[in-house]
Amino acid sequence: SQQGEEDPQALSIQEGENATMNCSYKTSINNLQWYRQNSGRGLVHLILIRSNEREKHSGRLRVTLDTSKKSSSLLITASRAADTASYFCATVPYTGTASKLTFGTGTRLQVTL
Amino acid sequence: EPEVTQTPSHQVTQMGQEVILRCVPISNHLYFYWYRQILGQKVEFLVSFYNNEISEKSEIFDDQFSVERPDGSNFTLKIRSTKLEDSAMYFCASGQTGSSRYGYTFGSGTRLTVV
Repeated sequence: SQQGEEDPQALSIQEGENATMNCSYKTSINNLQWYRQNSGRGLVHLILIRSNEREKHSGRLRVTLDTSKKSSSLLITASRAADTASYFCATVPYTGTASKLTFGTGTRLQVTL
Repeated sequence: EPEVTQTPSHQVTQMGQEVILRCVPISNHLYFYWYRQILGQKVEFLVSFYNNEISEKSEIFDDQFSVERPDGSNFTLKIRSTKLEDSAMYFCASGQTGSSRYGYTFGSGTRLTVV
């Protein structure tokens, strides 16, 4: 698998349900970030979790990180139709100046009324 | 909230032509990036830029590509002689720190179509 692979590739849920997306990666990281992309639009930074953190919350978002398994999950609680978008994890390796992001393949989330 | 601004939002060009994609990063950011996303594929890193020079570039960023920060506000990506496979969404991003401690801010992208 490639650095930063999400599963499922697509997820369809009803409004009010929770959505869980998973991300796996291969190499050591400094931090892992989740981004959201509405169709044909730019990427919006959602949350960042550092390699020494295990869980982080931001509003309805909960991110976990398991460095031993090289995996992360993003949980969106009480989903809304407006959460419909693609969600990407992106890893930052241990590196120096101007660290680049390596993106995963993304999960397309559809939230229906 | 501060934004990264990209222009144009959509550009159509003929194969072999030069294009310049423009970006205005967030004013107090020091680290600048270009990424691209071919339709239906992953977002791919192209180049990072700091202190008026390229920090890192990917294999995609060959001699046909160049970046410039001509003044204190703009950050441009030039493709010298476009190919059909250059058709993609190009995203500019900027960051306050190089370690991405706070995440990066992306622009809305320029959709480049090469015909």
